[in-house]
Amino acid sequence: GAGVSQSPSNKVTEKGKDVELRCDPISGHTALYWYRQRLGQGLEFLIYFQGNSAPDKSGLPSDRFSAERTGESVSTLTIQRTQQEDSAVYLCASSLVPGGSYGYTFGSGTRLTVV
Amino acid sequence: AQSVTQPDIHITVSEGASLELRCNYSYGATPYLFWYVQSPGQGLQLLLKYFSGDTLVQGIKGFEAEFKRSQSSFNLRKPSVHWSDAAEYFCAVGASSGNTPLVFGKGTRLSVIA
Repeated sequence: GAGVSQSPSNKVTEKGKDVELRCDPISGHTALYWYRQRLGQGLEFLIYFQGNSAPDKSGLPSDRFSAERTGESVSTLTIQRTQQEDSAVYLCASSLVPGGSYGYTFGSGTRLTVV
Repeated sequence: AQSVTQPDIHITVSEGASLELRCNYSYGATPYLFWYVQSPGQGLQLLLKYFSGDTLVQGIKGFEAEFKRSQSSFNLRKPSVHWSDAAEYFCAVGASSGNTPLVFGKGTRLSVIA
């Protein structure tokens, strides 16, 4: 597509429920990144996919967080047993080449609120 | 590992005044450096980037940034601020040596007053 698409744009969930966030990157972009942005904070790296290589999961905060990507297309970020501290905006970005040397293109994010 | 510091959490400037947002980075080699802008409720938009060569880079919306290796800085500037520039600005550093994700600063919120 023309840009990075994320859905849903907003999600309110009850504590303890599982949520799934979706990211559709720009066609042809080999690298895909997930970041978390808590209120008033910078971007916190979560996970990075590059082609068929094993993802870099070093930023995932706990084993409740997981992500998948099918080839070089859609990615889903799953948070199990959500907690209130998971409330944040989850941003997805893609880049043409790994390492982001051409910069990333970001989606508009999914605002997650855990009540 | 690389890191980024944006010392100013919030800056207020008058419309038409000049602007400088500070960014300091830590990285052992020549970094890739970026500035992004985030308007309320929006994703991040790339303003400009530095890879190599001329240390003064021009970006969109009249912004520019200067890479100063000796000071480990990459400050963003604009000669005359418009009310529409009010937003959150993020500096980011990437490693030129490998496939590591960009590291972002905590951001500087810019307010513009009449």
